[in-house]
Parts: sequence; structure tokens; C-alpha cells
Amino acid sequence: DIQMTQSPSSLSASVGDSVTITCRASQSIRNYLSWYHHKPGQAPKLLIYGASSLQSGVPSRFSGSGSGTDFTLTISSLQAEDFATYYCQQSDSLPWTFGQGTKVDIK
Amino acid sequence: QVQLQESGPGLVKPSETLSLTCTVSGGSFRSYYWSWIRQPPGKGLEWIGYIYYSGSTNYNPSLKSRVTISVDTSKNQFSLKLSSVTAADTAVYYCASTSAGYWGQGTLVTVSS
Repeated sequence: DIQMTQSPSSLSASVGDSVTITCRASQSIRNYLSWYHHKPGQAPKLLIYGASSLQSGVPSRFSGSGSGTDFTLTISSLQAEDFATYYCQQSDSLPWTFGQGTKVDIK
Repeated sequence: QVQLQESGPGLVKPSETLSLTCTVSGGSFRSYYWSWIRQPPGKGLEWIGYIYYSGSTNYNPSLKSRVTISVDTSKNQFSLKLSSVTAADTAVYYCASTSAGYWGQGTLVTVSS
């Protein structure tokens, strides 16, 4: 299985801050990488697919980059609704696997 | 607007079979691969497997011996059966089309006697 490792595991930030989360794959996944935003009791929400493509309806403050094994998710100006847990997921090889999550909370 | 809704028992006894159904509405059922994904309390997300409307499936090898995913295209539904459950199978279970970004709200299934 491809292991997905996110860093950091958690971070504290303020509204308006720029935040970057990284995701590293144990082997190349080309650009088959998605990012999700997840709040307790809600369905995970797809933010980015194909490593850098913004899902329809997702604010432009979210951006993704990377290919191969190293990827980043950047939130350019954190808003109150962005405090949540973020997951990366690879869909290059079965079984599809997720990172362990990065919890973003209010400083 | 595609919507997914999980249904099934919230409590299952150890050694029994967990059964859940996902009903898809508002979109083309035949356009996507449909997955089951779970999240144990305090842990991350685990992909269980997917099915296509044709019935073609793929399962996570870690669960393959206990999992069956089936489809009913007449009802736009797909189902999960997980046999011989233990407390380790306690989790929120989601149905989803990950490629399209469609997810259900999730349903908590607790394995306990």
C-alpha cells in the first residue's frame, strides 16, 4: 500500500493567516492526489483534485501543488469556516489511501 | 445536486455482519465509481472498496476476506456487508464517489454486545 504522510499533524492559526500543509507519498503517485476538508459530523468536502485543480464551488484561497511524492495545500487567508481537519488522498494505486489528517484550529 | 444517504443499523453484535445501504439521488448513478470509506473514532479515513454500476468491484486487501459490496441499479443503491465484525470495526461509515466529491453524511456503527 502507498503510505501518505501529512505534516504537521496539527497547527494553530488566526483568521487571515496563510497556512500550508504538506503530504508525502511513499512512492510516486504522479498527480493523483486530492485534498479534503472535514468537520465533525459532516461529510468530507473535496477541495482539490489532480493535485492542483480546484473543485467547483471551492473558494480560490485554496490551492494545491506538487507531483510525484510531494504535495502541498495552501490556504491563502484563513477564514473562520476553514478551521477543520484536512486530509490528502491518493488515487494512483489501489488500495486508495489517506493521510492521517492535519487539524487546523484557532490560535 | 447529487445526494448520498447511508442507512442501516447503528449497533451490531460482535461476530455478526454489518450491513449498510447507500441511496444516491439527483444524478447519474452510472457515471461514477461508488465507494465505502470508514473512520474509527479518533482515527483517520480508510477506504473499504468501490463498485461500478456494472457490478465490478475492488476491495481494500486489509478487509477483502470480510467485505462484499453490491449494487441495485433499479434503486440507485449500493450496499456494504462486513462479516465477523469486532470492536475494531466501530466507525463512522461513509458512502461516496471520491472522484466526483460526493459524500454522504456518514453513519456511526458501533460493534458491541
